[in-house]
Amino acid sequence: AQSVSQHNHHVILSEAASLELGCNYSYGGTVNLFWYVQYPGQHLQLLLKYFSGDPLVKGIKGFEAEFIKSKFSFNLRKPSVQWSDTAEYFCAVRGNAGNMLTFGGGTRLMVKP
Amino acid sequence: DAGVIQSPRHEVTEMGQEVTLRCKPISGHDYLFWYRQTMMRGLELLIYFNNNVPIDDSGMPEDRFSAKMPNASFSTLKIQPSEPRDSAVYFCASSLPPLAGGDTQYFGPGTRLTVL
Repeated sequence: AQSVSQHNHHVILSEAASLELGCNYSYGGTVNLFWYVQYPGQHLQLLLKYFSGDPLVKGIKGFEAEFIKSKFSFNLRKPSVQWSDTAEYFCAVRGNAGNMLTFGGGTRLMVKP
Repeated sequence: DAGVIQSPRHEVTEMGQEVTLRCKPISGHDYLFWYRQTMMRGLELLIYFNNNVPIDDSGMPEDRFSAKMPNASFSTLKIQPSEPRDSAVYFCASSLPPLAGGDTQYFGPGTRLTVL
């Protein structure tokens, strides 16, 4: 069975600070990897995804993530966060079997103005 | 497109009552997913359908929960009888098939359920 681990449950940053959120997955085969964001009071939205090719993936709003196969990791990064990035971030993995996503526990990011 | 539509947005009920949550997927999406989000357990997949057929319901917590998809544009998640521990936000999501670009699941706004 696939599983996803997000190490940081809560992160507090000041505006303009750099962000890196960790995500590690457990799955033996080929995976598709996703980062979703949930702004306060809103539903989940896709930030970025990795299927194949360049392991450095760029998403919306200046976010990027790097797939490191040897480390089973897909960390999310942003060079300079803004107050509007305050949200909960979810890493997710989809394996070969079926169309199911397995989500990590989420990381709550608070950006102080 | 209006996106995934869920109703009601908020539901407050008393323990023992039946609760029905509704979802309309994006038109043309063959896959429909029901998730539950709680502080303790995070985001959990309850069940998903492909072409109106339940494919995996291993996440359904117990027999009190049931889900149906009578047609391609409508699904329900029913809890009978409801219990306080069912209080959560329930999300519906839909997607195209994986090989047809269905790599992204589109989520609805959720139903916040409170069972007193």
